[in-house]
Amino acid sequence: GQNIDQPTEMTATEGAIVQINCTYQTSGFNGLFWYQQHAGEAPTFLSYNVLDGLEEKGRFSSFLSRSKGYSYLLLKELQMKDSASYLCAVRDGAAGNKLTFGGGTRVLVKP
Amino acid sequence: DTEVTQTPKHLVMGMTNKKSLKCEQHMGHRAMYWYKQKAKKPPELMFVYSYEKLSINESVPSRFSPECPNSSLLNLHLHALQPEDSALYLCASSYGRAVVDTQYFGPGTRLTVL
Repeated sequence: GQNIDQPTEMTATEGAIVQINCTYQTSGFNGLFWYQQHAGEAPTFLSYNVLDGLEEKGRFSSFLSRSKGYSYLLLKELQMKDSASYLCAVRDGAAGNKLTFGGGTRVLVKP
Repeated sequence: DTEVTQTPKHLVMGMTNKKSLKCEQHMGHRAMYWYKQKAKKPPELMFVYSYEKLSINESVPSRFSPECPNSSLLNLHLHALQPEDSALYLCASSYGRAVVDTQYFGPGTRLTVL
């Protein structure tokens, strides 16, 4: 099975930086995804990591350390529209490449 | 076209009703997924179809019956549901055999069972 942990809530100020951590345990790691989900809407894909290191996409970056079972999503220059839940999801190659989601981190951006 | 569409957006049904949720994509994806999401919880996988064949059933009760008529369409047939089945039902699709194989989600059907 899998165990994916991320903080429940975080609050940050507009223009600041927030780092959302995700730790996981899985037998057949085959990639880690970050999704953004606004309330009542579908998750939208943000980033993917399968090798160690940092992936940068504009204001969003994601980091992976496979040996530590650890990832983070970094949101820079926060905007009010970044208030959403951020879901860490791990793909398990030993389970048909099934995607399992963490509980999600609700980020509230304040003016 | 990079969109997954779902109908209806909202559905209210009684416990004796039979209804169906529909999902469609035209991205050439060959894997399609049904997820259930309760409020303030992450999506939970229900079913996976790969190349129109059911490849994963996460021990879902038989009152939920998936169907994949072709590579673009995915249905979820509902019968004799319980109030606790009320949730957001999300459909997703992916290429199925790509290295990254990102799943793209539809907007969901919000289901209420009375």
